[in-house]
Formats: sequence, structure tokens, C-alpha cells
Amino acid sequence: GQQLNQSPQSMFIQEGEDVSMNCTSSSIFNTWLWYKQEPGEGPVLLIALYKAGELTSNGRLTAQFGITRKDSFLNISASIPSDVGIYFCAGQLQLIGGGTSYGKLTFGQGTILTVHP
Amino acid sequence: KAGVTQTPRYLIKTRGQQVTLSCSPISGHRSVSWYQQTPGQGLQFLFEYFSETQRNKGNFPGRFSGRQFSNSRSEMNVSTLELGDSALYLCASRPAQGGFLEQFFGPGTRLTVL
Repeated sequence: GQQLNQSPQSMFIQEGEDVSMNCTSSSIFNTWLWYKQEPGEGPVLLIALYKAGELTSNGRLTAQFGITRKDSFLNISASIPSDVGIYFCAGQLQLIGGGTSYGKLTFGQGTILTVHP
Repeated sequence: KAGVTQTPRYLIKTRGQQVTLSCSPISGHRSVSWYQQTPGQGLQFLFEYFSETQRNKGNFPGRFSGRQFSNSRSEMNVSTLELGDSALYLCASRPAQGGFLEQFFGPGTRLTVL
């Protein structure tokens, strides 16, 4: 199935370092979402982006919706051990029908983040 | 608010059997989507339900089906199980109103097919 191109696939960093990951797509989206997944759990929503060019922060996390609507990046500043996990980007093209909006999420392959204390 | 709940959390079946997974969305959320997660294919969209109607469907064979009840709870069924159906099946819910598209995931059901 269609997937976004997410990079890097994995990162090994020292505690305190900053992290950057990104996603690119051949298709445009009108919503970008970033999720974190830990072992045995479902993905947890970190940040949602709704407008091209939008820059949004959530604590140490910052994400941007690319101007072309085909890319997004996520930065984590001053990483800590609990940042360990798999980070997924997801793009969604909103469709309207029957008075409501719907659409499927298309996910990147994930970035495995390891933080060494 | 309670999060998305999925039952059972773990399931072991054999080839040829069928299985039904259950999902209860966040209270007030009317849309439920299902995803399959495997190491090889990653997270793949199965289908989305809203108001008991399937609104969107991914590229999966007809052995995968679902339904939604009037209380927004949803079930997913897989018939004639194959080894390749072993995966984490995730359910996600959202309000589905006013263009609000943020989906919240449950913990998943880990299905193993032997």
C-alpha cells in the first residue's frame, strides 16, 4: 500500500541532543499528524497540523507542515530517555461527504529513536 | 475521558478460522477506523465507519470486514485466516465533526495465526 517516505529509519542519540525527522510524499495532504508508539501500545498523537506552513509546538516537540503540502518534519529538543520509541508521521486528505469529513491516514515507515543516558 | 478500548488484547488462532475484534471509541466520537500493523508493511488502513456506514476502505481482500453499531462501537471480522494475517490490529476514533481529523488510537489486538 501507499506509504510516506519517512527518514531516518533509526536514530541513536545521547541524552540532551536534539532530534530531527521528516516525511515526504508524492501526494498532497491537508492534515499531517505525528504519533509516538511504545512497545505493546497503540500510537499516541503528539502533534496535529492543519495548514500549509503551520509550525506547531508541544513542549519540546516542534512540527511543521510543508508549504507544498507534501512534507512535514518533527523536531525534538533536549532529548530524554523517555523519548525512546517509534515516531510515525501520517498524512490525511480530508474528504467531505454526507455532511461530515472523513479520510484515511497514510503512515510513514516510522523512525526508531534510541536515547542513551 | 476513557480512551479507545480494544478487546481482546491478544488472540491466537489457526489458519482457516475466523476472528472478531472489538473496539469501543472515546465517548462522543462517532467515527471508527481500523488499521493493520505489521513489521513488513507498517501501518495500513483497513476501513472507516461513521453512523454505522462504511465511509472509506483500504486495499484489503474481502475476508476483512467490519461493522459499526448505533452506540459507535465497532467490530472487525477476518474470515479464513492466513498466516500473513498475523498482526497488531489497531482501532482509532475521532469526533468526525467540523473537519476535526485527529485520530486517537487504542492499544490494539495482537493476532497470531498459527
